[in-house]
Amino acid sequence: AQTVTQSQPEMSVQEAETVTLSCTYDTSENNYYLFWYKQPPSRQMILVIRQEAYKQQNATENRFSVNFQKAAKSFSLKISDSQLGDTAMYFCAFRRNAGGTSYGKLTFGQGTILTVHP
Amino acid sequence: DTEVTQTPKHLVMGMTNKKSLKCEQHMGHRAMYWYKQKAKKPPELMFVYSYEKLSINESVPSRFSPECPNSSLLNLHLHALQPEDSALYLCASSQDLRSQGAYNSPLHFGNGTRLTVT
Repeated sequence: AQTVTQSQPEMSVQEAETVTLSCTYDTSENNYYLFWYKQPPSRQMILVIRQEAYKQQNATENRFSVNFQKAAKSFSLKISDSQLGDTAMYFCAFRRNAGGTSYGKLTFGQGTILTVHP
Repeated sequence: DTEVTQTPKHLVMGMTNKKSLKCEQHMGHRAMYWYKQKAKKPPELMFVYSYEKLSINESVPSRFSPECPNSSLLNLHLHALQPEDSALYLCASSQDLRSQGAYNSPLHFGNGTRLTVT
């Protein structure tokens, strides 16, 4: 079974600064997918960024980027130029290769509450 | 705007009531999911439907009864719930992961229904 660990229950950052959220996972799979979701107080889980395990290049989406270290099984999220709207709970999630099924099960970490201060 | 719509947003019910949660998506997704989420915890998978057929039941008590009437709708029927069932119930959908170019598709979540059982 896969496990996902987020070791930072809470973090805070000043507006416009950079913050990094950590995530490690454990799997024996070689082909899998990793995701970061954010959940603001509005409750909706919103996809922030995704990474395919077979791609060495780190994914980037505007101010969000990841540092994917496959050998170390690490998938950290860097938020640059933090904004007040980034305040949310962030979940790291793992999904194994669907292996011929139409759906995929996500394994979530425990989450990190990020607060951006003005 | 969310592409997965859940109703109602809030629901308060007694332990003897029968109620239903509804979820709708018009993205052509053929996999739909129910998750339960307690405060400041990650979502826990309850059920997965694939092409309107129940594919996964994560040992959920029978007081929760899912239904997928068509490819766009997903219901969760509730009966004789307990106070510990109070939580945020999230619906999600995804593309058929076997489809061309869809192997890394994320789950799309709704805003959830906040359920309180009294």
